[in-house]
Amino acid sequence: GAVVSQHPSRVICKSGTSVKIECRSLDFQATTMFWYRQFPKQSLMLMATSNEGSKATYEQGVEKDKFLINHASLTLSTLTVTSAHPEDSSFYICSARGGVNTEAFFGQGTRLTVV
Amino acid sequence: AQKITQTQPGMFVQEKEAVTLDCTYDTSDQSYGLFWYKQPSSGEMIFLIYQGSYDEQNATEGRYSLNFQKARKSANLVISASQLGDSAMYFCAMLFNAGKSTFGDGTTLTVKP
Repeated sequence: GAVVSQHPSRVICKSGTSVKIECRSLDFQATTMFWYRQFPKQSLMLMATSNEGSKATYEQGVEKDKFLINHASLTLSTLTVTSAHPEDSSFYICSARGGVNTEAFFGQGTRLTVV
Repeated sequence: AQKITQTQPGMFVQEKEAVTLDCTYDTSDQSYGLFWYKQPSSGEMIFLIYQGSYDEQNATEGRYSLNFQKARKSANLVISASQLGDSAMYFCAMLFNAGKSTFGDGTTLTVKP
């Protein structure tokens, strides 16, 4: 089946630094990628939707200057958490789909800890 | 508005028995997709099963089946012959034409030996 690879799986960074998370579709072309954030014991929160070659669409309340999303190719999207703070510590998940109304496949997730 | 409701925060089931996890949804779209995902304690989201809104037959995938009742707007997940490894959080999700998805709050399933 389709595989979405998310890297890194865990990252610890110092407050004030930036962290980049990659999401790759390994065996299909992902026209749309989604970035989610999950707090412990809660449902996923959609942060933004990115279509290849265009700017990401951010959900209300998500700071676009803090969470930079780039979807430069049909197989790669990146999320950069800029000037990270401890409150940004969370589990971030990407998903990718090849077309509308097809299933989305999820990456393995990234546990970000900001100290 | 698109909304997914999972009314069971937690469920218990005896090993080898079947369990049904409830999911109702609300949408005005005619075309949409319904998904179930499993999230074990390790955190990754595992796709389980998909049902398209125009599919007339209920989706099945091994021990998982989706009881799709369109008129009632429900898409319950049935897990047969529960195993200890089924203990996890389960999310119902809906994909709609705008390309976005919305998730329920999840149900934590605990399988007892």
